[in-house]
Amino acid sequence: DAGVTQSPTHLIKTRGQQVTLRCSPKSGHDTVSWYQQALGQGPQFIFQYYEEEERQRGNFPDRFSGHQFPNYSSELNVNALLLGDSALYLCASSTGTGGVQFFGPGTRLTVL
Amino acid sequence: AQSVTQPDIHITVSEGASLELRCNYSYGATPYLFWYVQSPGQGLQLLLKYFSGDTLVQGIKGFEAEFKRSQSSFNLRKPSVHWSDAAEYFCAVGASGNQGGKLIFGQGTELSVKP
Repeated sequence: DAGVTQSPTHLIKTRGQQVTLRCSPKSGHDTVSWYQQALGQGPQFIFQYYEEEERQRGNFPDRFSGHQFPNYSSELNVNALLLGDSALYLCASSTGTGGVQFFGPGTRLTVL
Repeated sequence: AQSVTQPDIHITVSEGASLELRCNYSYGATPYLFWYVQSPGQGLQLLLKYFSGDTLVQGIKGFEAEFKRSQSSFNLRKPSVHWSDAAEYFCAVGASGNQGGKLIFGQGTELSVKP
């Protein structure tokens, strides 16, 4: 039984570029949440997707957007990248918006 | 505002010694509480969770945690630490009164284990 998978593992971009990160949930899960973890910090909630709609959103600007597909996988898009967007981006999946969240290994984004 | 505080940024214990990692939370209702562990370069692994009922919860890898409402605490304990326990530990609270949803994390406690 595959757990949560994320791609790519690492990514290097320059300021102003756009990036797309991908997440496949654990088998049987239908909800995906995204978190940003800056170096030395705890993860911060970006948003949560369920039934292909954004259900909750954290304190992140509109440059951060997402999408959920019919197979429950999800994408996180970040436009106009800033140096401060460099972080580990974690995806978590659950059964329903209130389910216990299981995390993927993350995508390490570096913005130069 | 909802928040989680982990007062200890870094703790070092000897292998075989007992461990207690502190977590204090601020939440307006009955919280749902979690401990996750993160090894270097890895994602988060769920150690244990508290929703309701018995305030002492057992988790994986021999960890346990005790919910104390009067102290707004959810400290993580292990009676005998193994070298493989060296990692970053995060306490989290589930917002909005559900079993997950938006999780609010503390800043983490880095655990080092001396041989």
